[in-house]
Amino acid sequence: DAGVIQSPRHEVTEMGQEVTLRCKPISGHNSLFWYRQTMMRGLELLIYFNNNVPIDDSGMPEDRFSAKMPNASFSTLKIQPSEPRDSAVYFCASSLDRVSQPQHFGDGTRLSIL
Amino acid sequence: GENVEQHPSTLSVQEGDSAVIKCTYSDSASNYFPWYKQELGKGPQLIIDIRSNVGEKKDQRIAVTLNKTAKHFSLHITETQPEDSAVYFCAASSLRNQGGKLIFGQGTELSVKP
Repeated sequence: DAGVIQSPRHEVTEMGQEVTLRCKPISGHNSLFWYRQTMMRGLELLIYFNNNVPIDDSGMPEDRFSAKMPNASFSTLKIQPSEPRDSAVYFCASSLDRVSQPQHFGDGTRLSIL
Repeated sequence: GENVEQHPSTLSVQEGDSAVIKCTYSDSASNYFPWYKQELGKGPQLIIDIRSNVGEKKDQRIAVTLNKTAKHFSLHITETQPEDSAVYFCAASSLRNQGGKLIFGQGTELSVKP
């Protein structure tokens, strides 16, 4: 079975550029989560969707971050403009439901903003 | 909100020994407790989970115990092998107070020496 697929795996770009991270959840899962992982802050939930609708975006750090889920099989996380402090590993996860269900993670996008 | 504390932050054991990682949570309404293993360059992978209606769950060399009164849960790995070396995360989820979001501990870096 295909797991959660994220692209790109690595992204290096200059400060001020727009960055778009992509995620394909596991087929049949109706909840999708975006996380950010850093040494200092650990795993942080940025936003999650249920049935393609954003439920909680309280973890999104600032207006430079936005996320969309146009359909059940695709989501994007966009940073515009990017800053060096956005450098981190970004994970997407999906689950059968948002409540008390195992979340399955992709292998992440390692983002470096120079 | 929910807070999950995880100890120790690093753990080194000899191959064949047991390893125990402990977590405490603050929200008494938490009812789902997964454990994840993260290897270098990979996303967190679910290894075992437990719900609040049971006190213990075992899967081969891995077991998890839950003490709801004390609000703590533990991961036990027996007969450790070098391939168990990774970072382990605990998490807790509460529908009532967190909308079902997973709150992660800070992680434990386990090193199994051959």
